[in-house]
Amino acid sequence: GAVVSQHPSWVICKSGTSVKIECRSLDFQATTMFWYRQFPKQSLMLMATSNEGSKATYEQGVEKDKFLINHASLTLSTLTVTSAHPEDSSFYICSAIHRVGSADTQYFGPGTRLTVL
Amino acid sequence: AQSVTQLGSHVSVSEGALVLLRCNYSSSVPPYLFWYVQYPNQGLQLLLKYTSAATLVKGINGFEAEFKKSETSFHLTKPSAHMSDAAEYFCALKTSYDKVIFGPGTSLSVIP
Repeated sequence: GAVVSQHPSWVICKSGTSVKIECRSLDFQATTMFWYRQFPKQSLMLMATSNEGSKATYEQGVEKDKFLINHASLTLSTLTVTSAHPEDSSFYICSAIHRVGSADTQYFGPGTRLTVL
Repeated sequence: AQSVTQLGSHVSVSEGALVLLRCNYSSSVPPYLFWYVQYPNQGLQLLLKYTSAATLVKGINGFEAEFKKSETSFHLTKPSAHMSDAAEYFCALKTSYDKVIFGPGTSLSVIP
């Protein structure tokens, strides 16, 4: 089946630094990917929709300058957390839409755990 | 607005007992509904999905869910709980523009 990977699986960084997380669709092309964040013991919250070749669409309350999204190819979307702070520590999960004819299926990546010291 | 609620943030069952996890939704259009399972520090695994075909949907690991439009519900069941079923379960709804919104989750504990 379709697979979505994320890299790195975990990252620890110092406050004030930037961190880039990659989301790749391994065996299909995805014009649309999504980024979610999940705090401990909580649900997934949609952050933004990543569209190949165009600007990402951010959900209300998500700072676009803080969370930079680039969907430069049909198999790769990146999320960069700029000037990270401890409150940005979270589990970040991406998903990609696999379209076959009129049907589409959303596949989730395994997640990236970010810890900001 | 479309939304998903899950009654019970934590459910405990004995091994071998029936599992029932509740999900209710709100949608002005025919919904696409999903159940996902998440094990600690892992991503999401799709258990099953409802896409307007059969109202009783069978998924992996012995789980099934029944779509009831009159009750706006999509409860998840499994006849006999196994220790390996202990995890976090999320009900989800696909909105327009392919966005998926998640319920708050239910943590399932299985008591030996």
